Amino acid sequence: GENVEQHPSTLSVQEGDSAVIKCTYSDSASNYFPWYKQELGKRPQLIIDIRSNVGEKKDQRIAVTLNKTAKHFSLHITETQPEDSAVYFCAAIAGGTSYGKLTFGQGTILTVHP
Amino acid sequence: DAGVIQSPRHEVTEMGQEVTLRCKPISGHDYLFWYRQTMMRGLELLIYFNNNVPIDDSGMPEDRFSAKMPNASFSTLKIQPSEPRDSAVYFCASSWVVAGEGVNEQFFGPGTRLTVL
Repeated sequence: GENVEQHPSTLSVQEGDSAVIKCTYSDSASNYFPWYKQELGKRPQLIIDIRSNVGEKKDQRIAVTLNKTAKHFSLHITETQPEDSAVYFCAAIAGGTSYGKLTFGQGTILTVHP
Repeated sequence: DAGVIQSPRHEVTEMGQEVTLRCKPISGHDYLFWYRQTMMRGLELLIYFNNNVPIDDSGMPEDRFSAKMPNASFSTLKIQPSEPRDSAVYFCASSWVVAGEGVNEQFFGPGTRLTVL
């Protein structure tokens, strides 16, 4: 089945700096890659996603890049703010008979210091 | 739409008791997922349904766990008997597929925080 590895597990930056989180996946049939943000005590919420027919997608300070050949994708947050502090999860959709099933990475705890 | 609805939001029970968690997906969504989240194991998929049919239950820890989806607007996750190691936050999520586009965003419910004493 699909396996998603996420790095780093923790990331600490100063306000205004950029943050990058990287993920790799194993199933070459995967074609949908969402990123979720989870604040303490809250539910995971989608912040951006990308499909395999696109190499990059941007939404204000957040961008995601996808390299299908290397099977990795990354989240980029620019001009970080304290409210960006949260746990971020990458995920990949499985192909084949497990279509519809998301496999999540282990999560990255991002701390933005004022 | 009110989003994915879960009940109860908090549950405290004693070891050996039966626990039933409930979920109402977003209307029109044809996928429903049950996740468990702990500090040690992260976010784990337990089981998911497509059009009310269980597709993959390989994440269900053991026979003490069971899930049903009797109709498109309701699902339950049952633990019987419960054990302290079942203490976790249980999330339900729903999603949909658009022909030609594929699977879309999973929307998570607020979760049920389960504590088994």
